[in-house]
Amino acid sequence: DQQVKQNSPSLSVQEGRISILNCDYTNSMFDYFLWYKKYPAEGPTFLISISSIKDKNEDGRFTVFLNKSAKHLSLHIVPSQPGDSAVYFCAASGVRGGGNKLTFGTGTQLKVEL
Amino acid sequence: SQTIHQWPATLVQPVGSPLSLECTVEGTSNPNLYWYRQAAGRGLQLLFYSVGIGQISSEVPQNLSASRPQDRQFILSSKKLLLSDSGFYLCAWSGDRGWDYGYTFGSGTRLTVV
Repeated sequence: DQQVKQNSPSLSVQEGRISILNCDYTNSMFDYFLWYKKYPAEGPTFLISISSIKDKNEDGRFTVFLNKSAKHLSLHIVPSQPGDSAVYFCAASGVRGGGNKLTFGTGTQLKVEL
Repeated sequence: SQTIHQWPATLVQPVGSPLSLECTVEGTSNPNLYWYRQAAGRGLQLLFYSVGIGQISSEVPQNLSASRPQDRQFILSSKKLLLSDSGFYLCAWSGDRGWDYGYTFGSGTRLTVV
């Protein structure tokens, strides 16, 4: 049962354009969402997060949007740069005290082309 | 500042051999600790998590086990490796600082069972 889904395994965008990565979830108990970026043979690194009490969070070129009614979040990268090429994972949490477990999606491979 | 160390970086082991992967965290006390696996073409799957010394929760039945002999040490083991145990293993920690940053991951271990 995949509670966090990233239906696009890959995305290709031209440098300077907007990258939009999507994520859907099924568990209505999730109340915190995060995006991670992962390069090959490295551990994921935190990118940006959003609480369920917000619908938007912005950090530089990165913006995360949350639509709770649709159980959908998206990550916008503007402008996209070649160094953004990586696998992006969305993750969700709704458990407090139970080890703060994160449930990850399957990832989207972003390729930013020159 | 907090750091997380994971070793070895790569490992090639024959089927039926034992496994021991180690993870240590510095600069924090009583962290929540996690072992994840990324199999080829798949997302991040939570294997084990620990909220304290000797406290281990298993998320999926498998050929692996975990132990936490010290507060900041987390070990992933197997008595007899299977081919299906191949993958990229990640250790992570989280604290009680809220969900602004989620987990901090180690650099990972690439395990190939031959």
